[in-house]
Amino acid sequence: GENVEQHPSTLSVQEGDSAVIKCTYSDSASNYFPWYKQELGKGPQLIIDIRSNVGEKKDQRIAVTLNKTAKHFSLHITETQPEDSAVYFCAASTRGGGADGLTFGKGTHLIIQP
Amino acid sequence: KAGVTQTPRYLIKTRGQQVTLSCSPISGHRSVSWYQQTPGQGLQFLFEYFSETQRNKGNFPGRFSGRQFSNSRSEMNVSTLELGDSALYLCASSRPSGLAGGPSYEQYFGPGTRLTVT
Repeated sequence: GENVEQHPSTLSVQEGDSAVIKCTYSDSASNYFPWYKQELGKGPQLIIDIRSNVGEKKDQRIAVTLNKTAKHFSLHITETQPEDSAVYFCAASTRGGGADGLTFGKGTHLIIQP
Repeated sequence: KAGVTQTPRYLIKTRGQQVTLSCSPISGHRSVSWYQQTPGQGLQFLFEYFSETQRNKGNFPGRFSGRQFSNSRSEMNVSTLELGDSALYLCASSRPSGLAGGPSYEQYFGPGTRLTVT
């Protein structure tokens, strides 16, 4: 089955700097790659996603890049703010294929230092 | 539009008992997926229902089961509870895909039910 590795497990950056979180996946059939933000006591919130036919997608301060050949994808957050502090999860799935459930990475605890 | 709702939010059960958790998807969504979140194993897929049919199942024992009703609400049941079943149980809903049928890609999560087994 699919395996998703996520790095780093903890990331501390100064407010205003950029943050990058990286994930790799194992199943070449995976075609959908969402990123979720989870704050304490809440469920994961979908913040951005990308499909396998696209290399990059941006939404204001957040961007995701996908390299299908290398089977890795990354989340980029620019001009970080205190409210960006949370745990971020990457995931992969073969939506429309056999194993449609999301396979998640272990998460990155992002800490924004004031 | 209201988000995914889950009840109850917190639950304490004794080993050997059974438990039923409920999930109401976003209005218009017909797919409900269930996930288990623990500090050790992270987020793991349990199963997915679409139009009252189980589409996919993760690698969990048969003690974990679910169902979906005609109004898309879903329930998850765990029988013969074990200490290791203590976790946050999350459900996520997806709207129908416009063209091909089946659920759309995006999954939206509820706040979860925190289950503690003693």
